[in-house]
Amino acid sequence: NAGVTQTPKFQVLKTGQSMTLQCAQDMNHNSMYWYRQDPGMGLRLIYYSASEGTTDKGEVPNGYNVSRLNKREFSLRLESAAPSQTSVYFCASSEAQGPLSNQPQHFGDGTRLSIL
Amino acid sequence: QQPVQSPQAVILREGEDAVINCSSSKALYSVHWYRQKHGEAPVFLMILLKGGEQKGHEKISASFNEKKQQSSLYLTASQLSYSGTYFCGTHGSGNTGKLIFGQGTTLQVKP
Repeated sequence: NAGVTQTPKFQVLKTGQSMTLQCAQDMNHNSMYWYRQDPGMGLRLIYYSASEGTTDKGEVPNGYNVSRLNKREFSLRLESAAPSQTSVYFCASSEAQGPLSNQPQHFGDGTRLSIL
Repeated sequence: QQPVQSPQAVILREGEDAVINCSSSKALYSVHWYRQKHGEAPVFLMILLKGGEQKGHEKISASFNEKKQQSSLYLTASQLSYSGTYFCGTHGSGNTGKLIFGQGTTLQVKP
């Protein structure tokens, strides 16, 4: 059981470079999420997708774009990387359908991204 | 609005108990609890829905007081494996599916 798979696991970029983080889930979940985790800040939601073809902004969307390619895949793109985007990025999925979900989120192992 | 967790960190001996609190300034529909070990992904522990529900997971239980907009996580007779960072995530009434996480509470259990 793969669950939620993120690629790559580690990446180093230079300021101004672009990068796409990939996420795929094999649990047939409706909702998918991208978070960033910085020391002392907990997990902050960047974007989420409640269903295929829909996306919505989270708490910290600036500097990022997302694509819900199909039900399985949800990618996160940094168009012009900045040092402030150095972080650990987690993708998650859940069975949630619509608002006020009581479904747990299942997380991938994370992508550790450093921007010099 | 990010929920506030307290304490920020706690150190225990094996067998001791701990309580982690999570407070929100907004009305809540549900509270999620997750544990994350160093270098790993967060792992789901439990969800509490409004109604004062209390749930348990092994020797870890939690309560949800919707009037006070608070949840507490209780770790009883802690084990070394309980070490990690605990996050609460709150789901406000009327929002569109976003789960907002607290800053985390680091728990260290020593032998």
